[in-house]
Amino acid sequence: EAQVTQNPRYLITVTGKKLTVTCSQNMNHEYMSWYRQDPGLGLRQIYYSMNVEVTDKGDVPEGYKVSRKEKRNFPLILESPSPNQTSLYFCASSFKGQGIYTQYFGPGTRLTVL
Amino acid sequence: AQKITQTQPGMFVQEKEAVTLDCTYDTSDQSYGLFWYKQPSSGEMIFLIYQGSYDEQNATEGRYSLNFQKARKSANLVISASQLGDSAMYFCAMREGMFSGGYNKLIFGAGTRLAVHP
Repeated sequence: EAQVTQNPRYLITVTGKKLTVTCSQNMNHEYMSWYRQDPGLGLRQIYYSMNVEVTDKGDVPEGYKVSRKEKRNFPLILESPSPNQTSLYFCASSFKGQGIYTQYFGPGTRLTVL
Repeated sequence: AQKITQTQPGMFVQEKEAVTLDCTYDTSDQSYGLFWYKQPSSGEMIFLIYQGSYDEQNATEGRYSLNFQKARKSANLVISASQLGDSAMYFCAMREGMFSGGYNKLIFGAGTRLAVHP
């Protein structure tokens, strides 16, 4: 089954404790992104990757890191989480299908930073 | 400036009736794409429908159709024959043109919460 997976689905942590949210897709998509969802703001892009070893900042990159060492994986790293990073996080992947670039989303990771 | 505006924070509709969810967008690109996603209470983002800026006909997918009015920069989602399972948050999103770096990013509106009543 074609899908984007994220782990963990739920995470409660404390300020300053480094964490990684994993993302993996099995569709051989070139493009991958991370978004965060906050009430009243919709989803906002954190980082994106156009291919292996190619990443760039989105609209809200502060406090986050990413890497793309393999095509299928795109982990999101919070080196020193803070309470304002409490949010619902989505990983997404896409490809140039008919020029549409539809993004397919993972199930989401709900992060709480105390 | 907001690039995607969804002016209806919440809507309700009677089961089996049609409902229109509003979306206006702002871009200077000639080539762009418009998407609608559904987010049920379980939280996942489900792709519903896509409209390209050069598409001459309005997109349709089953009970979903997109009322695309390019000159007015609107891309309203129409759900016909609403079902209880349509109760969810709905997001309008835009992908801008390649030279805006847009094909890697969707710009989302704030969403409209739809409640379908029996």
